[in-house]
Amino acid sequence: AQKVTQAQTEISVVEKEDVTLDCVYETRDTTYYLFWYKQPPSGELVFLIRRNSFDEQNEISGRYSWNFQKSTSSFNFTITASQVVDSAVYFCALSEVNPQGGSEKLVFGKGTKLTVNP
Amino acid sequence: SAVISQKPSRDICQRGTSLTIQCQVDSQVTMMFWYRQQPGQSLTLIATANQGSEATYESGFVIDKFPISRPNLTFSTLTVSNMSPEDSSIYLCSVEGIGTDYNEQFFGPGTRLTVL
Repeated sequence: AQKVTQAQTEISVVEKEDVTLDCVYETRDTTYYLFWYKQPPSGELVFLIRRNSFDEQNEISGRYSWNFQKSTSSFNFTITASQVVDSAVYFCALSEVNPQGGSEKLVFGKGTKLTVNP
Repeated sequence: SAVISQKPSRDICQRGTSLTIQCQVDSQVTMMFWYRQQPGQSLTLIATANQGSEATYESGFVIDKFPISRPNLTFSTLTVSNMSPEDSSIYLCSVEGIGTDYNEQFFGPGTRLTVL
């Protein structure tokens, strides 16, 4: 069975600090997708990234970066120079791949609540 | 990117009643999913809404409690039947992206349900 573990329940940092959110996953599939979503206090889920299991290249998008390591089954997310607007709950998720190539259902971690203080 | 709307955005309901939630997408999509997020919790998949056939339910969820319709490729409904306070949650639909957005899985804004 698939499982996603986000061991950090809550993290609090001061603005401009860097922060890393951990995500460890379990799956028997050789092909899968990993996701990160942001859920601000307003409640909507904002897609951040999807990573294919065959692509272990790290990705950077502005202040966001992701470190995917299959050897440790981890897909960690780092925010550089954090800002108050980054305050939200962040979810890591895992999905199977359907035969047509897209994602299947998502299995979510419990989320990490990030608070960035001014 | 796909634009997803849900109706209602929120509702307060009495125990024992039923509520139907609508999910509308601005483009045709193959896969539509319904998730539940209980207060302070993560998201859990309820079912996959298949066009032209019955929905596929996850363990712990049954059709009698959460009947789903998927009449076409842009629309689905989820009904929460015979509600109890334990059904108070945010209900979200999601779709697989299409075209250039195929790498994304989009979520609707959610329906906040409170059962008294």
